[in-house]
Parts: sequence; C-alpha cells; structure tokens
Amino acid sequence: NAGVTQTPKFRILKIGQSMTLQCTQDMNHNYMYWYRQDPGMGLKLIYYSVGAGITDKGEVPNGYNVSRSTTEDFPLRLELAAPSQTSVYFCASSYNQGVKQFFGPGTRLTVL
Amino acid sequence: AQTVTQSQPEMSVQEAETVTLSCTYDTSESNYYLFWYKQPPSRQMILVIRQEAYKQQNATENRFSVNFQKAAKSFSLKISDSQLGDTAMYFCAFMPQTSGTYKYIFGTGTRLKVLA
Repeated sequence: NAGVTQTPKFRILKIGQSMTLQCTQDMNHNYMYWYRQDPGMGLKLIYYSVGAGITDKGEVPNGYNVSRSTTEDFPLRLELAAPSQTSVYFCASSYNQGVKQFFGPGTRLTVL
Repeated sequence: AQTVTQSQPEMSVQEAETVTLSCTYDTSESNYYLFWYKQPPSRQMILVIRQEAYKQQNATENRFSVNFQKAAKSFSLKISDSQLGDTAMYFCAFMPQTSGTYKYIFGTGTRLKVLA
C-alpha cells in the first residue's frame, strides 16, 4: 500500500493564481482531511470529508474548496492565491472518526 | 472554545533517559479522544499514542505512555529510554466525540531533541 500520497511536494504561486493540491489514499478510508501547518504552529483543519460526495468545512476554510467524487481522491483547490496561504498542507485519511489518521508527506506552498 | 495547550516549546533529554511532555486542554465535552503525534524532520506526521476519555487506564505503546488526568484536563506523554530517533516535534491533539460535527484541535507542539 502506498498509503496517502500528495502532489506536488513543493510549489511557488504568484498572487491571484489558482492551483489544485492532489491527495489520494489506497486504504479505502471513508474519512479524509486537509490541514495546513503554519511555521511554529500546529495543524489547522481546512476541510474534511466523511465519504464520497460529502464534504464539510473545518476551522479555516476561507480561500479553499474541495470535492470528493471518489473514495480515493480528495483534491484541495486554491482559487485566488494570497500570501496568507503560504503554508505546508497535509492530507490525511482514517477509516473512522476518532481513530488513527494516516498522513501524506505534505506540500510546501509559497505564494509570492 | 476548545483549546489545546503545550507549554513547553522546546525540551532536550539525554539518550536512554526519560522525558515527559505536557499537554492541557479545555473542553466542556465529556466524551472525546486525545492523541500524541510525532513529526520528525522528514515532516511526516506519525501517531504515537491515542487515549479515549472514557477509559481510565492510561494508554501505552512500547516506550511511550501517557498520564491522563481527566479532571485536571491533562494529557502528558512520557518517553522512556529515549532514542536519537525520538528527536522530533510532538503535537498533542484533541477530538470531541460529537456526532454530526468534526473538530480536530492541535497544540502548537514541543520540539524534543535527544542528545547523544
């Protein structure tokens, strides 16, 4: 099993550009999550999904969108990149609520 | 609001010794989960240990154990026989067991350095 994979690993965007961060898991988990980690801080939940076709906002959803058309994929879309979105983004998955989350390796995004 | 506080930004310990990382949280929930995650320099987040609030017995995983004090809202992590590979950021996290909503709240982390 590859676990949770994320692409790209690094990206630099200009202000106002758009991009999609890809996340795929091969463990057949229903729950998937997107977090951001700012320097010196813990993770903050952006969006989550409890199954294909079901998504909901987390703590810091502004400026982001998600979709979940399949169990495996949970892409995160940034529409108009802003410097405040410079961060490391982690995707995670779990088979249920309150259990171990499996994390991807992260995407380091810089917006200039 | 639910919060998680890790009051020790940095700690160091000699190899083979024991170290305890502190975590306190604030919640009005009675049922919840608590976690410790490790983030080594590779940046990969790895679950170290998990505790269910309704269980009075403290969770243990090999050299890692917790001291869960529900009344005090305290959830400290003890690492015994510290190894160089334990060098990492350690995050405490809280998740209420509330159906229909989802929250996963992380502390700001403790940077642990194990010294040879």
